Amino acid sequence: EAGVAQSPRYKIIEKRQSVAFWCNPISGHATLYWYQQILGQGPKLLIQFQNNGVVDDSQLPKDRFSAERLKGVDSTLKIQPAKLEDSAVYLCASSSVDRGKSQYFGPGTRLLVL
Amino acid sequence: DAKTTQPNSMESNEEEPVHLPCNHSTISGTDYIHWYRQLPSQGPEYVIHGLTSNVNNRMASLAIAEDRKSSTLILHRATLRDAAVYYCIPKKSSGDKLTFGTGTRLAVRP
Repeated sequence: EAGVAQSPRYKIIEKRQSVAFWCNPISGHATLYWYQQILGQGPKLLIQFQNNGVVDDSQLPKDRFSAERLKGVDSTLKIQPAKLEDSAVYLCASSSVDRGKSQYFGPGTRLLVL
Repeated sequence: DAKTTQPNSMESNEEEPVHLPCNHSTISGTDYIHWYRQLPSQGPEYVIHGLTSNVNNRMASLAIAEDRKSSTLILHRATLRDAAVYYCIPKKSSGDKLTFGTGTRLAVRP
């Protein structure tokens, strides 16, 4: 079974530039998550989708971050404009709708904002 | 969300058992206890979860205290590949949300 795919793996941008990350979840997984992991900390949930609807985006900085999951499969996370403090690893995860099912994480995209 | 307390770091020798503790004294009666681990430069991966009874799988065992205020992840024979950050996460049975703390960084000595 193919895992969660993410691209790019690394990205370096200057502050105030825009950046987008892509995620392809495990086939058949209805729930998709984006997490932000700052160095030395655990991952923090940014947004959760169920199919193509948003379930939880309470910790998403909506003035600069946006995410979409068109057609309930792939998802993109965008930052516009980026700030220095956005330097982090952005992790995508997916899970099935069955309760208690574990989340499967992708390898992450490491973002450095200069 | 229930608050968890884990040691910042632990060390183990290869092929010896490792006991990773977690305190979750504010856990609610319906929260499952999940453990994930994160190998270097990778995303977290599921290890094990339980509610009240001790649980075993091919990766590890989970021992849950009778009052459910603490749990211990047991790696029966640590290998170098087990060097990772281990996260203990109480998770509501009705929800999907995982709230990660800072976890325990496990180093395994050859």
